[in-house]
Amino acid sequence: DQQVKQNSPSLSVQEGRISILNCDYTNSMFDYFLWYKKYPAEGPTFLISISSIKDKNEDGRFTVFLNKSAKHLSLHIVPSQPGDSAVYFCAASEYTGTASKLTFGTGTRLQVTL
Amino acid sequence: KAGVTQTPRYLIKTRGQQVTLSCSPISGHRSVSWYQQTPGQGLQFLFEYFSETQRNKGNFPGRFSGRQFSNSRSEMNVSTLELGDSALYLCASSFSGQGLAGELFFGEGSRLTVL
Repeated sequence: DQQVKQNSPSLSVQEGRISILNCDYTNSMFDYFLWYKKYPAEGPTFLISISSIKDKNEDGRFTVFLNKSAKHLSLHIVPSQPGDSAVYFCAASEYTGTASKLTFGTGTRLQVTL
Repeated sequence: KAGVTQTPRYLIKTRGQQVTLSCSPISGHRSVSWYQQTPGQGLQFLFEYFSETQRNKGNFPGRFSGRQFSNSRSEMNVSTLELGDSALYLCASSFSGQGLAGELFFGEGSRLTVL
């Protein structure tokens, strides 16, 4: 049962345009959401996060939007740059009674073309 | 500040064997989590250790086990290897845990191939 879903395995965007990566979740107990970026042969690195009490968080070119009623979050990258080409994972956190636990999506491979 | 170190980086085993992977977290981090990454499955959570205690675990069979030492270093073991265990195994550390408690810092992973 995939509680965090990234339905687009890949996305191609031209340099300078907006990249929109989507993520859907099913567990209403998730209270914190994160995006991680992964380059080949490297571990994922934290990109941006958002608490469930907010609907938007911005950090430079990266903005994460959260729609709790739709159980949907998205990552916007504006403008997209070739260095943004990577696999992006969304993750959601819930408290299990002992500690918070992160559940990751399957990832979206973003390719930014010149 | 040194990052998360995983050893070995690459290894090849045959079915039925067992394997032990090691993870050294960032100095001062007490939480270590393990994930399995396979194509199409994303990052599947294995377990999290904090101060030598397992706090959470994912939905993996008992062949997958782990432990954490007093210096926060962690090992995971997979016994009776199956072909489907071929994957990238990622270790992540944080000061106090996952989610609200803070972001995870990942190592480069150990790529296991089972023949």
